[in-house]
Amino acid sequence: AQSVSQHNHHVILSEAASLELGCNYSYGGTVNLFWYVQYPGQHLQLLLKYFSGDPLVKGIKGFEAEFIKSKFSFNLRKPSVQWSDTAEYFCAGNTGNQFYFGTGTSLTVIP
Amino acid sequence: DVKVTQSSRYLVKRTGEKVFLECVQDMDHENMFWYRQDPGLGLRLIYFSYDVKMKEKGDIPEGYSVSREKKERFSLILESASTNQTSMYLCASRPFGGVDEQFFGPGTRLTVL
Repeated sequence: AQSVSQHNHHVILSEAASLELGCNYSYGGTVNLFWYVQYPGQHLQLLLKYFSGDPLVKGIKGFEAEFIKSKFSFNLRKPSVQWSDTAEYFCAGNTGNQFYFGTGTSLTVIP
Repeated sequence: DVKVTQSSRYLVKRTGEKVFLECVQDMDHENMFWYRQDPGLGLRLIYFSYDVKMKEKGDIPEGYSVSREKKERFSLILESASTNQTSMYLCASRPFGGVDEQFFGPGTRLTVL
């Protein structure tokens, strides 16, 4: 079955620390991959997406993600987090019309 | 910008009531989706629709139905609300096919007493 998994459920970092959130997917064929962010009290919004080409994808607010096909991974990274990055982060995969979401990672950044 | 709106941000209903959650998008998207979001479970797909009057069950359709009479509007119906349906409900839309992401509404936090 197609699925997306996020292994970090809750991450706590100090400001300026580096961030890496894991995401793995299980698909046999072509897949589009996304990272969404949900700030407290706000709706989900897209951080970045990958569908083909350069496996290193840059998104908004200094985030990037790398698609590694051999590892079925699409990890999210940011070199230096800020307090305003406190949010919930969701990885998602898409084939056809269906999307599959991970269970989310709650990130807390301590000033 | 794409805009997806949901009829209510907060809703409180009693067990057994019929509940309607409305979602409207303004970008002529073919696909629309209903999810519920629960802590530790992420987003789970209830139903989606790829065209007017068309619908497909998602992962957790039990206790829910949907209606799509117009392209821009997708309604989620709880025929007889139960306490285990207390949750955050998210609507999303997306163009048909391609590589576009989903666009989400602000969500409706439903409490069933």
